[in-house]
Amino acid sequence: EPEVTQTPSHQVTQMGQEVILRCVPISNHLYFYWYRQILGQKVEFLVSFYNNEISEKSEIFDDQFSVERPDGSNFTLKIRSTKLEDSAMYFCASSEGRSGRAGEQFFGPGTRLTVL
Amino acid sequence: AQTVTQSQPEMSVQEAETVTLSCTYDTSESDYYLFWYKQPPSRQMILVIRQEAYKQQNATENRFSVNFQKAAKSFSLKISDSQLGDAAMYFCAYRSGGLTSGTYKYIFGTGTRLKVLA
Repeated sequence: EPEVTQTPSHQVTQMGQEVILRCVPISNHLYFYWYRQILGQKVEFLVSFYNNEISEKSEIFDDQFSVERPDGSNFTLKIRSTKLEDSAMYFCASSEGRSGRAGEQFFGPGTRLTVL
Repeated sequence: AQTVTQSQPEMSVQEAETVTLSCTYDTSESDYYLFWYKQPPSRQMILVIRQEAYKQQNATENRFSVNFQKAAKSFSLKISDSQLGDAAMYFCAYRSGGLTSGTYKYIFGTGTRLKVLA
């Protein structure tokens, strides 16, 4: 069964450094998402992406964040200058469409980001 | 804006017994989807069950079933014959159909930690 994959599984970085989290969505999916879960808290939406542009973003997704689909398979989340509070689990998701059952999002296993 | 509330931070159940996890939500939409996700210690999000709001019949998946009360905006998860492997964090989630709100993001509750006692 096709699945969303994410690399790395765990990323440790120093405060102020740039990190890039990578995701490979399911191959025939057109909509891509990033979510964040701070330890012990709920999962929160960051951004959705379609047709090479952001379609929706939350207030969390400030200028320090950016997303890109650099090629036909990868979807990345970049944090330019990491802060301690960026430490969280980051989930990538993808969906075939936006509405109806096609809009069901499939989640990757997550990348745990630790900022020291 | 839509909200999802899980009022039980933690629940315990004896192995082989039945437990019900509560979830309420608030929306003015008629077209939406509801989900329960299981998050084990690995923190992967595993879909347990989904419910389309337009379907009156409650969804079931093996030992997992929901009680969907649309008028009350309630979506509880029942786990029958609980097993040790069911121990995890469970999140309730809402997704708009998008026709009126224009948004398709998932909105999650704060989760319920389920402990299964041997």
